[in-house]
Amino acid sequence: SQQGEEDPQALSIQEGENATMNCSYKTSINNLQWYRQNSGRGLVHLILIRSNEREKHSGRLRVTLDTSKKSSSLLITASRAADTASYFCATGPGNQFYFGTGTSLTVIP
Amino acid sequence: ETGVTQTPRHLVMGMTNKKSLKCEQHLGHNAMYWYKQSAKKPLELMFVYNFKEQTENNSVPSRFSPECPNSSHLFLHLHTLQPEDSALYLCASSQVPGTGDDSPLHFGNGTRLTVT
Repeated sequence: SQQGEEDPQALSIQEGENATMNCSYKTSINNLQWYRQNSGRGLVHLILIRSNEREKHSGRLRVTLDTSKKSSSLLITASRAADTASYFCATGPGNQFYFGTGTSLTVIP
Repeated sequence: ETGVTQTPRHLVMGMTNKKSLKCEQHLGHNAMYWYKQSAKKPLELMFVYNFKEQTENNSVPSRFSPECPNSSHLFLHLHTLQPEDSALYLCASSQVPGTGDDSPLHFGNGTRLTVT
């Protein structure tokens, strides 16, 4: 399977804390993407990191990529209740994007 | 508004029915996708269309039949479905790699399908 796999499956934190979720994948990649999905909605793109990048920031999001370990992490700093959602990583050859089962994040107010 | 519109939002159908899901994108993209999302399973990539041509069919049963009449519209025709086909069906669009900057997927809000 080429899909990314997120870890942990579920994460519960207090508002203001940081949340870290991880992604592992199996094949070589051009880029890796992170998405968020609120309940009953479609996925929303958060951030893309290319294979030649090691770290990328966007607002409260920080993504790292280690191609030698075929892994990535997503850090959300100073979490808010509105960050409650499922988070997915996606990789794939060309535009065949494959997703895992996601990390379900709950931020408690 | 996501720029990708799916209709209907909810659909209940019997196993002998024929129905169609519709997807329209207003983003000027040239690739469109169907994904299936079932509880506790990874999103399943079903079909990929680049420039209206189908480039990927991930061993999807023939009871699912896609149609892409132009780069803005995508349909999924459903026929003789099984209860296990009940799921959230998501449409997405993007630029085809190599035709511009790295292009992430833009998703619609999906059609929740229940097969009875």
